[in-house]
Amino acid sequence: DAGITQSPRYKITETGRQVTLMCHQTWSHSYMFWYRQDLGHGLRLIYYSAAADITDKGEVPDGYVVSRSKTENFPLTLESATRSQTSVYFCASRGGVSQPQHFGDGTRLSIL
Amino acid sequence: DQQVKQNSPSLSVQEGRISILNCDYTNSMFDYFLWYKKYPAEGPTFLISISSIKDKNEDGRFTVFLNKSAKHLSLHIVPSQPGDSAVYFCAATEFSYGGSQGNLIFGKGTKLSVKP
Repeated sequence: DAGITQSPRYKITETGRQVTLMCHQTWSHSYMFWYRQDLGHGLRLIYYSAAADITDKGEVPDGYVVSRSKTENFPLTLESATRSQTSVYFCASRGGVSQPQHFGDGTRLSIL
Repeated sequence: DQQVKQNSPSLSVQEGRISILNCDYTNSMFDYFLWYKKYPAEGPTFLISISSIKDKNEDGRFTVFLNKSAKHLSLHIVPSQPGDSAVYFCAATEFSYGGSQGNLIFGKGTKLSVKP
């Protein structure tokens, strides 16, 4: 089915470990985004990508790395996880600039 | 500094009545506004949007009003239904001025509870 999917849905890991969250969309949307949602903060943009091989920082990029070798995939990597990165992570995509963003169902990440 | 503010963390409304969710913004460059609805354990779902060239946009039971001079927008849901119980996020962006590439700035959300 067409849409945007995130995996895993839940992840528990330890501080200092590397973890990668996956995002896949089937719409061939140019733009893709990663957000984190924390209590008291709403949704904050981590990184975004305007096209394959084009990425840029959002509001809270520190501690995260992204890549986009293919249009449909936009993985987010925490190279050395910290407890402050415990959060719910949402991936989103959109077509043109005037189109709304469509979100995946999120990954709940706990770092012990 | 918060550019998009939803000052009511929660709102409780009786089924069949009107729900009014409010949102204020500080950046006068914002020219496109969106509302998203979010159920627990799901991603936000786009609900309705409005461009700054309009002051009202309607889609079924949902209407968004924009007051540019007050930098205020509101979402009206009439009539409210129990299935509308969710967290509602207001978001804003500046399409016309390039730069941001349409990246959204979100408010913190308002949890709406519609009681039967």
